[in-house]
Amino acid sequence: GQQLNQSPQSMFIQEGEDVSMNCTSSSIFNTWLWYKQEPGEGPVLLIALYKAGELTSNGRLTAQFGITRKDSFLNISASIPSDVGIYFCAGPHDGAGSYQLTFGKGTKLSVIP
Amino acid sequence: EPEVTQTPSHQVTQMGQEVILRCVPISNHLYFYWYRQILGQKVEFLVSFYNNEISEKSEIFDDQFSVERPDGSNFTLKIRSTKLEDSAMYFCASRATGAYGYTFGSGTRLTVV
Repeated sequence: GQQLNQSPQSMFIQEGEDVSMNCTSSSIFNTWLWYKQEPGEGPVLLIALYKAGELTSNGRLTAQFGITRKDSFLNISASIPSDVGIYFCAGPHDGAGSYQLTFGKGTKLSVIP
Repeated sequence: EPEVTQTPSHQVTQMGQEVILRCVPISNHLYFYWYRQILGQKVEFLVSFYNNEISEKSEIFDDQFSVERPDGSNFTLKIRSTKLEDSAMYFCASRATGAYGYTFGSGTRLTVV
């Protein structure tokens, strides 16, 4: 089945630093979604990307849908303590019209004040 | 902001017992989902539901699982005879027509002892 590989698995950064994380797949995705999960909560949608090459921002977050449709990155600028959490990429499963999402294993972000 | 509400937040049950996890999706959403997340692992699709029937289900969603929309607002997941490996966070989600970005609930932590 489809798999999404996220890197790095975890990262520790100083407050104020910029962060970059990746998501890659061996198969093409037509939509890429980035979610954040905080402890004890469900995933919250951050950014949705629908077109190859698309670059979308949401505040300090920027995500890009790779031209090959097999990768995406998420950048966070000027990190703050509340950015702590697990960031998941996700995309729709194989199959026309399927809205079933495949998730990556996540990148765990820790911000040191 | 509209929310997906899940109850209970925690459930401890003995192996072999039946459990029902409850969800109230966002009121104008028509597509409903259950996902689960075993501790420290990625979010995995269980089942999708539309127009009062299951549209897709994963290998995890075997005969022990069932879903129901008993009235106009609730969406339930029943596990008939729980096993130790059913211990996980169970997330309900809903989405609007044409949107890939689901809204997830905060989850029910199920512990089977």
